[in-house]
Parts: sequence; C-alpha cells; structure tokens
Amino acid sequence: GNSVTQMEGPVTLSEEAFLTINCTYTATGYPSLFWYVQYPGEGLQLLLKATKADDKGSNKGFEATYRKETTSFHLEKGSVQVSDSAVYFCALSDLSTNAGKSTFGDGTTLTVKP
Amino acid sequence: DAGVIQSPRHEVTEMGQEVTLRCKPISGHNSLFWYRQTMMRGLELLIYFNNNVPIDDSGMPEDRFSAKMPNASFSTLKIQPSEPRDSAVYFCASSDRENTEAFFGQGTRLTVV
Repeated sequence: GNSVTQMEGPVTLSEEAFLTINCTYTATGYPSLFWYVQYPGEGLQLLLKATKADDKGSNKGFEATYRKETTSFHLEKGSVQVSDSAVYFCALSDLSTNAGKSTFGDGTTLTVKP
Repeated sequence: DAGVIQSPRHEVTEMGQEVTLRCKPISGHNSLFWYRQTMMRGLELLIYFNNNVPIDDSGMPEDRFSAKMPNASFSTLKIQPSEPRDSAVYFCASSDRENTEAFFGQGTRLTVV
C-alpha cells in the first residue's frame, strides 16, 4: 500500500534560517505529491504540489522536487519567517489506485523564533 | 466558491449524547473525506465517499460512528453514543478527479465531557 514518512519534529529555527523537512514515500502507482500547511486553529491547506517525476512545486518561497529515484519530496525554504510557524504535512494521492484518496505523513511542527 | 463548509465549529456535549457533524463539499467535487485529528494519533482518515458512495470505512473506529452522504452537496458524521475519547477535531475534505488535491474545511472541535 501507499505510505508517507516525514521528518519527526518539532523543528525550531531562528528567523531567516534555512529549512528542510524530509519526506519519503512508498507507492504502487504513479502518485502526485503534496505539501500541506496547517496554521493554529485551521484546517490543512495546500502549500505546493508536483504531479510527475522531476517536477518542482513552489509557493511562498517554499520548494520541493519530486525525486522518483529516491522516492522523496523534501520541503525547503531559504529564509523562514515567524509567520511560517505551523504544522507541515507531506502527502501523496494516486488516482490509478483509488478515488483521489490522500495518504498523509504524521506532520512536522515548525516553530520560528524572532 | 466558499470552500468546504463544516458545522458546527465547536461542539461540547455530555457523554452518551448523540453528536452530528455536518459538511458541505465544494460544488463539483466528487470525493469527500472525513478525518479526525488528535495530539496522540495525528490525522486519521475515518471514511471516504466517491460519487456519494462510501468506498472505504475501515478507519471508522467503532459502530458508534456512522457517516452518510445523501447527495453530492451534503454529508454527516454521527457519533452515538459519544464518549470522552471521541474528543478531537474532525475535518471534512473534498477533491475532484482531475486535481486530487484535498480541500479541507475549518474543522469541528468536539469535546465530550
């Protein structure tokens, strides 16, 4: 079956530091990969996505590249801000094997200190 | 579009009472998902529907939980009877066939005392 493993948290960084949150996946088909962000008291919202190998998703300074050879989709940002403090979820969805059902990682809590 | 709409946002109930959570998915989306989020267990998929039909309910914890989707624009998750360990945030999400991205509602924070 499908699974997603992401870096355990929590992660605490100073403002303007470089961020990497690791994510690896296992899938039987050809999944699309996603990063979602959850701010306190809110639901998850899509941060970025990539639908095929070597695609790079980007948004709000965050980037992740779909690496099929290493089955990875690591999230990076060059300079984090206090407002980036949130929980980040890596996820995959495979239309070839299910009706758009997403498989989520456990989430990584990021705290950015001024 | 207003996005996925859940109600109520907060619910406090006594143990043994029936609780009904409601969800209106985004118009045109054909898949709907119910999740539960707790500190201990993280985000768990309870059940999902495709074209109003339940596809996988293996995540439903017990017979006390039931979900329905009578039409494409409405779904309910019912807990009867409720127990304190059901306290959590319940999310509804929907997606369409082309994008597979899940759009989440704001969640219902359930507290069973």
